[in-house]
Amino acid sequence: QSVLTQPPSMSAAPGQKVTISCSGSSSNIGNNYVSWYQQLPGTAPKLLIYDNNKRPSGIPDRFSGSKSGTSATLGITGLQTGDEADYYCGTWDSSLSAVVFGGGTKLTVL
Amino acid sequence: EVHLVESGGGLVQPGGSLRLSCAASGFTFSSYWMSWVRQAPGKGLEWVANIKQDGSGKYYVASVKGRFTISRDNAKNSLYLQMNSLRAEDTAVYYCTREQVGYSSDYSDYWGPGTLVTVSS
Repeated sequence: QSVLTQPPSMSAAPGQKVTISCSGSSSNIGNNYVSWYQQLPGTAPKLLIYDNNKRPSGIPDRFSGSKSGTSATLGITGLQTGDEADYYCGTWDSSLSAVVFGGGTKLTVL
Repeated sequence: EVHLVESGGGLVQPGGSLRLSCAASGFTFSSYWMSWVRQAPGKGLEWVANIKQDGSGKYYVASVKGRFTISRDNAKNSLYLQMNSLRAEDTAVYYCTREQVGYSSDYSDYWGPGTLVTVSS
């Protein structure tokens, strides 16, 4: 049981848009910045979004992040087959004094 | 270019010990928090521990407190994870990450390829 809640799976067609939600509480998302990671099959996770909505160098603007209250959202537009991956949200939890992740969302592009 | 490479994984019996290492290059190692994140087979990510630039601050996930110890050697640009009293549920790929820690902000911007730890008799 993860501290942050994500839908286990989502699917969409190429070219479409998808939004992945991440729900938490006041001790984590509500008072700390959220990050998002992409894990392609058989590889290490890669940072996609940090501080709620900032993209590291090299991450296309098809990927976006937002936060409202105790929830955060990752948006992906213009879906490509190469976007098929597991996506995780993460943040610091002030009560646990630990980084916490969501359970991950498996995105299928079909 | 930032590079993180883990080593030291392998098969160990329950109750046994293992020491993981992470060799860092391409950045000023002593200027960054570092962390270990693990992923059990077919499961999600679990943050394990992190350590401050000079080693003076360390945090652990509850499930490993008292069993795992994170440490670093800034002269060798290396991060370590000493794992004792290993259990089957510690079986996972262990990733070394560079962590960006600020006010209300904590994220891993670079990850190593990981090393597999299997705890089994």
